[in-house]
This record gives sequence, C-alpha cells and structure tokens, in this order.
Amino acid sequence: SQQGEEDPQALSIQEGENATMNCSYKTSINNLQWYRQNSGRGLVHLILIRSNEREKHSGRLRVTLDTSKKSSSLLITASRAADTASYFCATDAETSGSRLTFGEGTQLTVNP
Amino acid sequence: DGGITQSPKYLFRKEGQNVTLSCEQNLNHDAMYWYRQDPGQGLRLIYYSQIVNDFQKGDIAEGYSVSREKKESFPLTVTSAQKNPTAFYLCASSIMAIGTDTQYFGPGTRLTVL
Repeated sequence: SQQGEEDPQALSIQEGENATMNCSYKTSINNLQWYRQNSGRGLVHLILIRSNEREKHSGRLRVTLDTSKKSSSLLITASRAADTASYFCATDAETSGSRLTFGEGTQLTVNP
Repeated sequence: DGGITQSPKYLFRKEGQNVTLSCEQNLNHDAMYWYRQDPGQGLRLIYYSQIVNDFQKGDIAEGYSVSREKKESFPLTVTSAQKNPTAFYLCASSIMAIGTDTQYFGPGTRLTVL
C-alpha cells in the first residue's frame, strides 16, 4: 500500500486564499518531499524536510512535519491561478532502501 | 540545455505487442527511475537503476523490462505480459539513489493499448 496519503483529494479555492494539503504516512521516515505536477506533465520538486526538522519555508510554501503523528502539511499562501496542479508527498522510509514512495496527491484548483 | 527527455509523448500499441519507451538524461546523474501513473493516482515504481549495468525491480515490475547500458539512457520495454499497460509513464533521475536526493522528472509518455 502507499506510504503517503494526501488529504483532501481535491481542493478548490479563490485566488489570494491560502491552500493547505496534508500527508500522512505509516512507517518511520528519513525525510519527506513535496512535488507538484501540472496536468499531463512530469513532477517538479518543491521542498524537502528531514525527519529532525519541524518546519521549512520556501517562498510562498510552508511545510511542517510532525513525526509523532506521522503527518506533514504543505501550505501555499496567497495562491495564484498558476498554482493549479496536483501536489504529491513522497517519503523516504527507513525500511525502503532509500526509494521514494509517492502518495496519491491532492488536486488543487485556484479560481481567478 | 540540461534535462531529462522522454519519447514519444504519445504511444499507441496493439494488444500482444512489445513497445519500448525512451528516457535520456544529460544531467550526469547516476540513478534513474521508471514510474507508472494511473488516472487520479500517485506514482508507482516499476524499476530503478543506481548505476550503469545495474537495475532493481520496484513495486510493479511484472510485465516490464529495462536496460542500463549507458549512464544517460534507461529505456523501458512494456511487454505483452503486462495485462493492463495503458497508463502515463514517467522517467526520473537523481544524482544518487538515496532518499534525500531530488528526483528530476521527464515530461512523460502516455501509452494507450488499442
């Protein structure tokens, strides 16, 4: 089964609003990454957070990690129509042999 | 212009035929990966290679084969043994095959079985 599960599956907001997506996982991890995928395209790396980190920022992105709850959240502030995409978390589990395991993604729609 | 390329963008195959998807990178990365993505779902790992002339099965390797004869190339063959091959196939590479490495993805190949 998938290591990471995103919630919600789909999210629709207005431009300027904040978008929050959550990722839960089952086993202990070394790190967690977030990727973005525009429709019909490849994935693009957004941010990596290590298991000993609790929060990380990159531009309008804020990622948190709670290892006790085995969960992470991705916050996009002041969203834009161009942020419309699917967002995936990917975990590097301690038992995975350093392979990434991707969740099923959150489809974000930002309406102008 | 560095990056990872996949060809073709769209591929149609008749049942019972083998088909090979191309993946090339000029990033000088050691590790390369093949993923399958079905509609509305995440990525599932088919095969990965940490170094030339070596590759490992992922979670869904049955019905697929790969080769890694050159550092920059990692072709995927979808064989007739793959019962449901219609999907979006993504190739990726990273500097090394460790989980802290960023993976760089190609634009994907959409395979449709007629």
